[in-house]
Amino acid sequence: GDSVTQMEGPVTLSEEAFLTINCTYTATGYPSLFWYVQYPGEGLQLLLKATKADDKGSNKGFEATYRKETTSFHLEKGSVQVSDSAVYFCALISGGSNYKLTFGKGTLLTVNP
Amino acid sequence: GAGVSQSPSNKVTEKGKDVELRCDPISGHTALYWYRQSLGQGLEFLIYFQGNSAPDKSGLPSDRFSAERTGGSVSTLTIQRTQQEDSAVYLCASSLAHGGEDRDYGYTFGSGTRLTVV
Repeated sequence: GDSVTQMEGPVTLSEEAFLTINCTYTATGYPSLFWYVQYPGEGLQLLLKATKADDKGSNKGFEATYRKETTSFHLEKGSVQVSDSAVYFCALISGGSNYKLTFGKGTLLTVNP
Repeated sequence: GAGVSQSPSNKVTEKGKDVELRCDPISGHTALYWYRQSLGQGLEFLIYFQGNSAPDKSGLPSDRFSAERTGGSVSTLTIQRTQQEDSAVYLCASSLAHGGEDRDYGYTFGSGTRLTVV
């Protein structure tokens, strides 16, 4: 079945540090890939997405590239801010299921000033 | 509405009682989903509604769980005879859906209902 594996946290960084959160997947066919973010006390928000191989999703300074050859969708940001502190979820919708999001377990990021 | 609305935001109930959780999706979104978020389990798919099609109930963990969607809009998730392991945050989401293209839209999530069974 479909699955998403992302690096376990928690991740603690200083402001302006470089961020990478690794995500790899197993899926049927050609999935669409997503990163969601959950700020403290809030619901999940779509951060970025990529729907085919080599696509790059980007938003708010975050980027992730759909790598079919390595089945990966790593999240990166060049300079994190305190306001980026949140839980980040990697997710996919596979070709075998047009609608069911499969999530990774989430990575807690804390950015200190 | 402007977003997906869920109520109540918090619910504490005694073991064995029934609970109802409500979700108001974004107006015009034909697809509606329920997920459960619990410690150690991450986010689990529960059920999916799309228009007038039969719902996909494959994620419901037991027959104590059921859900309805009336008039293609509001949805209610019901848990009967609650158990302590039902304690979790229950998330509702909606999306635009056009045939097989659901996968490209992503979902809009509500803030969830935190259920605590004591």
